Amino acid sequence: AQSVAQPEDQVNVAEGNPLTVKCTYSVSGNPYLFWYVQYPNRGLQFLLKYITGDNLVKGSYGFEAEFNKSQTSFHLKKPSALVSDSALYFCAVRDISGGYQKVTFGTGTKLQVIP
Amino acid sequence: EPEVTQTPSHQVTQMGQEVILRCVPISNHLYFYWYRQILGQKVEFLVSFYNNEISEKSEIFDDQFSVERPDGSNFTLKIRSTKLEDSAMYFCASRFGSGGGDTQYFGPGTRLTVL
Repeated sequence: AQSVAQPEDQVNVAEGNPLTVKCTYSVSGNPYLFWYVQYPNRGLQFLLKYITGDNLVKGSYGFEAEFNKSQTSFHLKKPSALVSDSALYFCAVRDISGGYQKVTFGTGTKLQVIP
Repeated sequence: EPEVTQTPSHQVTQMGQEVILRCVPISNHLYFYWYRQILGQKVEFLVSFYNNEISEKSEIFDDQFSVERPDGSNFTLKIRSTKLEDSAMYFCASRFGSGGGDTQYFGPGTRLTVL
């Protein structure tokens, strides 16, 4: 079975500073990894994904994530945080063993960008 | 940009009543999903649907739940006799193909409140 861990319930960062939201995963085969963002009272918006290729993946709104196979991590990063980035961020892994590829989510990390 | 839509945005019901949550997936997508998120908790997989049948379901998806694609556009989740613990945000998602890298796109969710 696959799983995702987000060790931080909340991350606080000052506007303009770089941000990192941590994620580690566990899968039996090759991981397909995703980041989603949830704004208050909104649904889940896709940010970026890693399937194969370059370990640094670029996504929406200036976010990027670095896949590290040896550390089984997929941390979300942004060079300069904006107040509007404040939201709930979910890391997710695709389980393909069953063939229909449900997504398993982490518990979420609340990002608070302080003006 | 095409998107997944869900209605209603908020549903309030009495315990024991039946509810139907509706979703319109992205038009050319073939795989459909329901997830739920109890307040303050992580997003949990409920069921996947492909080729007019359930392809996978979680232990949460018991006999009280059913899904249907009654026509070419709608995808519904029915809860036959709601319980207090069914109160949650329910998300519909859709995906085009079976490729491992294919992204699931989520709707804005329906907040179900069972009184």
